[in-house]
Amino acid sequence: KNEVEQSPQNLTAQEGEFITINCSYSVGISALHWLQQHPGGGIVSLFMLSSGKKKHGRLIATINIQEKHSSLHITASHPRDSAVYICAVSQWGTSGSRLTFGEGTQLTVNP
Amino acid sequence: ETGVTQTPRHLVMGMTNKKSLKCEQHLGHNAMYWYKQSAKKPLELMFVYNFKEQTENNSVPSRFSPECPNSSHLFLHLHTLQPEDSALYLCASSQDGGSQHFGDGTRLSIL
Repeated sequence: KNEVEQSPQNLTAQEGEFITINCSYSVGISALHWLQQHPGGGIVSLFMLSSGKKKHGRLIATINIQEKHSSLHITASHPRDSAVYICAVSQWGTSGSRLTFGEGTQLTVNP
Repeated sequence: ETGVTQTPRHLVMGMTNKKSLKCEQHLGHNAMYWYKQSAKKPLELMFVYNFKEQTENNSVPSRFSPECPNSSHLFLHLHTLQPEDSALYLCASSQDGGSQHFGDGTRLSIL
């Protein structure tokens, strides 16, 4: 069992739909990250959070430390949101912050 | 412009070749990372450098040899690779355990 589990693995939505991607983890963390990876391979950091909720445009990320669970929400989804969304957790180690990644959720938004 | 530049973007090499991947960050960060992303698998941490010193080697085979001559540059020297080494290799940087900034990756194919 992976230390970071995401669901669903694949998600197809119609433009305008509200989307939720879930992440559960089983280790102690210093922070949780949501990342976006487009087909070309480059990765963009969307959020880094250790408590509560953060919002950026149409994206909202929440975390429940007690339940070891986080969600990424996309409101009014658009085809350009199609990408792989990756949850990762930071664990403090001798090297500073070490990221452990989930397998990613492939999101496709159809027009 | 992500602030982290990787070259080359694509590389095809035979198993007996020697090649190097390059990563340069223009963000003034003090930590740099190499990750491997194979098809259908989560990102895997390979190496971590803090202030030019290697602080983590995640059980990576010796055919991968990292080099960090200064805080802005990171190399991954490749020698006698195997077909299973074909993957996307991503570089990232961060400052004091903050969000990691990723390059666009080098897609490596081993013939």
